[in-house]
Amino acid sequence: DAGVTQSPTHLIKTRGQQVTLRCSPKSGHDTVSWYQQALGQGPQFIFQYYEEEERQRGNFPDRFSGHQFPNYSSELNVNALLLGDSALYLCASSLGVGGEKLFFGSGTQLSVL
Amino acid sequence: AQKITQTQPGMFVQEKEAVTLDCTYDTSDQSYGLFWYKQPSSGEMIFLIYQGSYDEQNATEGRYSLNFQKARKSANLVISASQLGDSAMYFCAMRESLSGGYNKLIFGAGTRLAVHP
Repeated sequence: DAGVTQSPTHLIKTRGQQVTLRCSPKSGHDTVSWYQQALGQGPQFIFQYYEEEERQRGNFPDRFSGHQFPNYSSELNVNALLLGDSALYLCASSLGVGGEKLFFGSGTQLSVL
Repeated sequence: AQKITQTQPGMFVQEKEAVTLDCTYDTSDQSYGLFWYKQPSSGEMIFLIYQGSYDEQNATEGRYSLNFQKARKSANLVISASQLGDSAMYFCAMRESLSGGYNKLIFGAGTRLAVHP
């Protein structure tokens, strides 16, 4: 039973570029949430996808966007990268939007130079 | 606003001893959930234990137990018989209920635990 998988594991970009991060949820899960974890801090909620729509969003600018596919996998897109976007991006999946137990992937470490 | 506070940036413990990691929370909700996650250097957030606000008994999962004191708004994690593999960052988190039945997790800043042989 595969857990949450994320790709790539590491990524280096320069300011102004665009990036796409990918996530496959745990088998049987239909809801995907994305979190940003800056160095030395706890994760912060970006947004949540269910039934291919963004259902909830945290305090992040429109440069952050996402998508969920019919197979429940998800992408996180960040446009016009800033140095402050450097962080570990974690994907979490759950069963149903009210699912209490989130399962996290190992994350994508994004470095913006 | 809901908030999680972890006041211990770092802790160390001798192998085989017990350790308590502190967590206090602030919420005006009557129904909420509290979580502890472990994050090793690999980056993955590993679920450890969950306590619902209406649960009367403290949650336990193997060597992990959650000391839930509702009146004091604290949810401390107790790790018994520490092992070298317990060395990691530990995050306390609270489920925040959103409109439409959705929810998100609010995390504290974390506590880095080092287990010494």
